Amino acid sequence: NAGVTQTPKFQVLKTGQSMTLQCAQDMNHNSMYWYRQDPGMGLRLIYYSASEGTTDKGEVPNGYNVSRLNKREFSLRLESAAPSQTSVYFCLTGPNYGYTFGSGTRLTVV
Amino acid sequence: AQSVAQPEDQVNVAEGNPLTVKCTYSVSGNPYLFWYVQYPNRGLQFLLKYITGDNLVKGSYGFEAEFNKSQTSFHLKKPSALVSDSALYFCAVRDYDYGQNFVFGPGTRLSVLP
Repeated sequence: NAGVTQTPKFQVLKTGQSMTLQCAQDMNHNSMYWYRQDPGMGLRLIYYSASEGTTDKGEVPNGYNVSRLNKREFSLRLESAAPSQTSVYFCLTGPNYGYTFGSGTRLTVV
Repeated sequence: AQSVAQPEDQVNVAEGNPLTVKCTYSVSGNPYLFWYVQYPNRGLQFLLKYITGDNLVKGSYGFEAEFNKSQTSFHLKKPSALVSDSALYFCAVRDYDYGQNFVFGPGTRLSVLP
């Protein structure tokens, strides 16, 4: 089925470890976004990519890097994870036929 | 830069009564406006959007929203609430004229009481 796929769905990291969250879409969308959701904080934009080859910082970019590998894929990397990065991460893509979320990645940093 | 406010953290309504979840926004250009819903331990689902045209937008599950440019508001409404509507609701805005930044409000928790 067409849609937005996020991997992994769950991850536990130790402080200082690195990991990459993957987002892939087959909806031919130009724009892709990474958000984090924390209790009481709503959805905060980390980075976004308006098109292949471009990326821009959002509200909370510190501690993260992104790569727009091609039109389909937008990855979020944590180089040295910190407990403050414990959160649920969502990928959003659009705008053809509206903006669609991935199912999320629940990350715990201990 | 655009912003979204949802002035109520929590809205309580009795089943069968009309419901309203409020949203106001700020953009430099023309707004794209959206509502999303999140059920417990679930992802975010699209409800409806305003791009242009009729100020009253109809969406999924019987929800509708009214765009009011003079008040910079985009309130979500439903004529008769269901217990199953209980969830977290997010309003979002993208500035059509200035970039691709897509900003969400803090969310409003709706509780429909039987």
